[in-house]
Amino acid sequence: GQQLNQSPQSMFIQEGEDVSMNCTSSSIFNTWLWYKQEPGEGPVLLIALYKAGELTSNGRLTAQFGITRKDSFLNISASIPSDVGIYFCAGSRPKYGNKLVFGAGTILRVKS
Amino acid sequence: EAQVTQNPRYLITVTGKKLTVTCSQNMNHEYMSWYRQDPGLGLRQIYYSMNVEVTDKGDVPEGYKVSRKEKRNFPLILESPSPNQTSLYFCASSLTVNTEAFFGQGTRLTVV
Repeated sequence: GQQLNQSPQSMFIQEGEDVSMNCTSSSIFNTWLWYKQEPGEGPVLLIALYKAGELTSNGRLTAQFGITRKDSFLNISASIPSDVGIYFCAGSRPKYGNKLVFGAGTILRVKS
Repeated sequence: EAQVTQNPRYLITVTGKKLTVTCSQNMNHEYMSWYRQDPGLGLRQIYYSMNVEVTDKGDVPEGYKVSRKEKRNFPLILESPSPNQTSLYFCASSLTVNTEAFFGQGTRLTVV
């Protein structure tokens, strides 16, 4: 089953709105990665986080590595139509050899 | 240009007919892996390889084989495909097990 709980499963928002999604787990992680997948393409890295409490921005995107090391969130400010896609969180857990495990994804749709 | 190349992009085959999906990366990465993507389940790891001649099972290895004879190539083999292997497959490579994974464009496989 899923070791990462990613929510929400999908969002349908108005252009210009802010978006927030998160991933949680009962395990401790030492890396959090956020990816975006557009139709017909493979996932592409948006933001990488390597330290608890780390807050990193990439343009309109901001992600944080939770202080408990068990969660992470991604915010998108002032959404635009090209933000449409599936967003995945991924994390590595020292207990499991640091292999990446992926969340189920958040499908984002934007109304213009 | 740094990239992960998968072939073919699309494949329709019949049950039981052996097939191979190729994957090649030009970044001299040691770590490579295969994932399958199914709706609502995110990306699940099939097999991974830490280096040449070193491969191991991921979370959903049944019905698949891999080999890593050279650093750049990591083919996925389905000896006797079945309809439940109909899925979208991604190859990925990274410097190490928990750093940024670069994904190929995907192979959409249909087994009838």
